[in-house]
Amino acid sequence: DTGVSQDPRHKITKRGQNVTFRCDPISEHNRLYWYRQTLGQGPEFLTYFQNEAQLEKSRLLSDRFSAERPKGSFSTLEIQRTEQGDSAMYLCASSNGQVRFFGPGTRLTVL
Amino acid sequence: DQQVKQNSPSLSVQEGRISILNCDYTNSMFDYFLWYKKYPAEGPTFLISISSIKDKNEDGRFTVFLNKSAKHLSLHIVPSQPGDSAVYFCAASFFGNEKLTFGTGTRLTIIP
Repeated sequence: DTGVSQDPRHKITKRGQNVTFRCDPISEHNRLYWYRQTLGQGPEFLTYFQNEAQLEKSRLLSDRFSAERPKGSFSTLEIQRTEQGDSAMYLCASSNGQVRFFGPGTRLTVL
Repeated sequence: DQQVKQNSPSLSVQEGRISILNCDYTNSMFDYFLWYKKYPAEGPTFLISISSIKDKNEDGRFTVFLNKSAKHLSLHIVPSQPGDSAVYFCAASFFGNEKLTFGTGTRLTIIP
């Protein structure tokens, strides 16, 4: 399978804990995106990488959130001191053109 | 500010008939539009796209129409099949901006 993969698929954590998600993009894609989706809403843009450079961040990405793409391949999204409002589906996408191809997402539940 | 709007949260269509999903946008800078389909517990799957230099794009059973003056696009699915039951998202972007803006989605149910 050469699509976008994400790990884990589900994460349940207690408020205040830190969590980290991983995304492996389609191998030839140089652009990688993180989105967040909550119930009844469409995906909302969080951040974007071109190769290893993080070029854009949404104001939704508070200082508790950090994303990296150290070698321009896989990416990680870390949320520190999780809050119940962080519960959502976190989606990763990659592209080398106009179309973004999405992974299956990581469902985060903060208790 | 919801720049991409899908005003119908749900739509039910008989199998074999045409499904028409609508989307409106407010930002006149948008020049590229995409439709994604999403099943529960999966990520969005790309369906079809259209550039603002065109007013129609077709791919098999799926056709997207763009009316720039009305800032409106629609997705036609003909004939509708049970496997088309899913949530459909309209999304828009413009050249030089990597942020893809999504609508809130329309849940399509195909009735056998």
